[in-house]
Amino acid sequence: QEKVQQSPESLIVPEGAMVSLNCSFSDSASQSIWWYQQHPGKGPKALISIFSNGNKKEGRLTVYLNRASLHVSLHIKDSQPSDSAVYLCAVISNTGYQNFYFGKGTSLTVIP
Amino acid sequence: EAAVTQSPRNKVTVTGGNVTLSCRQTNSHNYMYWYRQDTGHGLRLIHYSYGAGNLQIGDVPDGYKATRTTQEDFFLLLELASPSQTSLYFCASSVGGEQYFGPGTRLTVL
Repeated sequence: QEKVQQSPESLIVPEGAMVSLNCSFSDSASQSIWWYQQHPGKGPKALISIFSNGNKKEGRLTVYLNRASLHVSLHIKDSQPSDSAVYLCAVISNTGYQNFYFGKGTSLTVIP
Repeated sequence: EAAVTQSPRNKVTVTGGNVTLSCRQTNSHNYMYWYRQDTGHGLRLIHYSYGAGNLQIGDVPDGYKATRTTQEDFFLLLELASPSQTSLYFCASSVGGEQYFGPGTRLTVL
């Protein structure tokens, strides 16, 4: 079974700061890695995904994947109070079924 | 945009009670999932399905049954509810590796 660990558990930053969130996983053959954002009382919503080693940028978000070190990170540039949420890392396993494994999340608070 | 709805949004029942949680997706996604979310545990997969009539066991299936009656509808059944099943339940559908979540059902078992 895939293991997904996220760090830090929580983070408080001032508005405009660069935010870095980390995720480690156990299976280098995992298909793709997704980051989800979850606001209080809502379901998670997909933000960005990556499959290949390297980085991918979408707007203020950049994700880096290193399969050799089993590590993926999400960076949020120019953070806003509306970015305050829990961020979940999800790994799709390589079992033949589309089975997702989620980390416990990082709680981000952006102070105006 | 993919839409997933859940009902009820809140449910209170007693120990030993019978509960059915409903989920509908309107985008004909093949995969549908039931998760529970608890503080300290994150999202845990209960059951999932890749089409009508199909059912796969997730990581925490004990005490839960599920049924996928159509491409759109996926139900989670708790036949003898216990206080340990008090949780926030999410349904999701997926296509191309992206999951679309419903708004959640908060279940309290007294």
